Amino acid sequence: GAVVSQHPSWVICKSGTSVKIECRSLDFQATTMFWYRQFPKQSLMLMATSNEGSKATYEQGVEKDKFLINHASLTLSTLTVTSAHPEDSSFYICSARDVADSSYEQYFGPGTRLTVT
Amino acid sequence: LAKTTQPISMDSYEGQEVNITCSHNNIATNDYITWYQQFPSQGPRFIIQGYKTKVTNEVASLFIPADRKSSTLSLPRVSLSDTAVYYCLVGLKTGANNLFFGTGTRLTVIP
Repeated sequence: GAVVSQHPSWVICKSGTSVKIECRSLDFQATTMFWYRQFPKQSLMLMATSNEGSKATYEQGVEKDKFLINHASLTLSTLTVTSAHPEDSSFYICSARDVADSSYEQYFGPGTRLTVT
Repeated sequence: LAKTTQPISMDSYEGQEVNITCSHNNIATNDYITWYQQFPSQGPRFIIQGYKTKVTNEVASLFIPADRKSSTLSLPRVSLSDTAVYYCLVGLKTGANNLFFGTGTRLTVIP
């Protein structure tokens, strides 16, 4: 089955620093990837849609200058949290759609837990 | 966007069949219904997807009545490892509106 990986699986950083999270589709190509954020005991919240070769589309209320998304290839999207603050601590999850899959199923990564101290 | 409503939580004993119902009164003609499972600190996992009547796979069944205003995920003979949050999403297969997760149902399986 289609596999999506994320790196790192967890990261601790100091307030004010930037953190990059990678999302890779391992055995399929994904022109579109999605980034979600999930706070404890809450549901997933879609942050942005990452499109290969073009700018990401951000959901309302998500600061595009703070959450930088780059989708440079058909298998890799990155999310950079710039000038991180404790309130950015969360579980970040990416997903991808296989361009060759007619079901348009989303395949989710395992998530990255970010803790900002 | 077709809003979904699910029970916040459910408890079940091991070995029982569990049915989780999702209401989606304003589902559109071309919308599909998709269910995901999420364990703590993991990404969601696709369970099943359907458009009408009944769909069955190796892990679950999905029942959709004729008016499609609700759907029921059926998990046969649950085990402790089925303890998770289950999300119902409604929208076009290719569209953006099947990317919005509702509150989900937290299923706890009791020994």
